[in-house]
Amino acid sequence: AQTVTQSQPEMSVQEAETVTLSCTYDTSENNYYLFWYKQPPSRQMILVIRQEAYKQQNATENRFSVNFQKAAKSFSLKISDSQLGDTAMYFCAFMNYFGNEKLTFGTGTRLTIIP
Amino acid sequence: GAVVSQHPSRVICKSGTSVKIECRSLDFQATTMFWYRQFPKKSLMLMATSNEGSKATYEQGVEKDKFLINHASLTLSTLTVTSAHPEDSSFYICSARESGTGYSNQPQHFGDGTRLSIL
Repeated sequence: AQTVTQSQPEMSVQEAETVTLSCTYDTSENNYYLFWYKQPPSRQMILVIRQEAYKQQNATENRFSVNFQKAAKSFSLKISDSQLGDTAMYFCAFMNYFGNEKLTFGTGTRLTIIP
Repeated sequence: GAVVSQHPSRVICKSGTSVKIECRSLDFQATTMFWYRQFPKKSLMLMATSNEGSKATYEQGVEKDKFLINHASLTLSTLTVTSAHPEDSSFYICSARESGTGYSNQPQHFGDGTRLSIL
């Protein structure tokens, strides 16, 4: 079974600064996907960014980028030029490449952007 | 973009009542939908995988008779919490992915969730 660990329950950062959220995972699989999801207060969970394990290049989406270290089983999320709207719970998630597309979530990091 | 609608958004009811939660994919077909349970300040725990036209696949420790799942069409899955008790109070979230596409193209889309409170 896979496990996903987010060791930072809460973080806060000043607006416009850069923040990095940590995520580690454990799996015996070689092919899989990793995701970061954002859950704003009382709002829908949305996908922030995803990474295919077979790709060496780190995924980027505008201000969001990841540092994927496959050997270390680490998948951190960097948010640049943070904005007030980035305030949310962030969940790291794992999914096997083959299988029934079940997502395994970490416990989440509550990120607060301070004006 | 793909939209998943979940209804109701909030329900408060007495102990012993059965509660049905609907999950609809509004602009796409979903062969598979997922039901999660989220406790306050906790992660999402997968309860079951809902498969259109067949029985749901439940995760270990989830009572099949307690949480009835029906996926009768490609756009609708329902979760019924039978004889609900206060310990069933939680936030329930569904997700769906468009059928027939590779996962690299289409991620799971989540509903807004249903907050269930059993008195």
